[in-house]
Amino acid sequence: GDSVTQMEGPVTLSEEAFLTINCTYTATGYPSLFWYVQYPGEGLQLLLKATKADDKGSNKGFEATYRKETTSFHLEKGSVQVSDSAVYFCAHLLRSGGSYIPTFGRGTSLIVHP
Amino acid sequence: KAGVTQTPRYLIKTRGQQVTLSCSPISGHRSVSWYQQTPGQGLQFLFEYFSETQRNKGNFPGRFSGRQFSNSRSEMNVSTLELGDSALYLCASSSSGTSGIQETQYFGPGTRLLVL
Repeated sequence: GDSVTQMEGPVTLSEEAFLTINCTYTATGYPSLFWYVQYPGEGLQLLLKATKADDKGSNKGFEATYRKETTSFHLEKGSVQVSDSAVYFCAHLLRSGGSYIPTFGRGTSLIVHP
Repeated sequence: KAGVTQTPRYLIKTRGQQVTLSCSPISGHRSVSWYQQTPGQGLQFLFEYFSETQRNKGNFPGRFSGRQFSNSRSEMNVSTLELGDSALYLCASSSSGTSGIQETQYFGPGTRLLVL
């Protein structure tokens, strides 16, 4: 079935380190892809999105490129900050049986130390 | 602007009972989506309402139902509760779009339901 798989966390980094959080998906069709972030004590927020192959979503220094050939949408940031500590969710959106159904990964916890 | 509010925040029920959860979206938002979050299954989409109509529906049994009122407030109902229904139920609102997830969704704090 359709699914989204993220690397398990927690990912622990020092400030200014390079970040990669892997995300791969399975889908019968061509989904739109998303990254959401959940800061401690808050709800989920849309971080970035890409709607077709080779699109690059970017926001707040984070980037992810829609790779159809590898069915991946890895999240990257060149230099993380302590304030980036949060849980990151990868998701896709597929049309199925007349409905648009979002499917989320399990989330990856990021901890950034000063 | 007030955020998404959900009531109640915590709820304890017993098997076989039914429960109704409420969600008030951000003012002006017409789309309300409901999600179930559990440690085992993660975040799963239940359904989305837009202008009082169910627009999208996930793969949950008919025991899970919802509705939306003319002021965009939404309720979710679960009948004949099972132990496996214990979860955090999240509501999210957005302004429009083909599906709420394509817009920035604003999530509420959730209602934590425990079924004994």
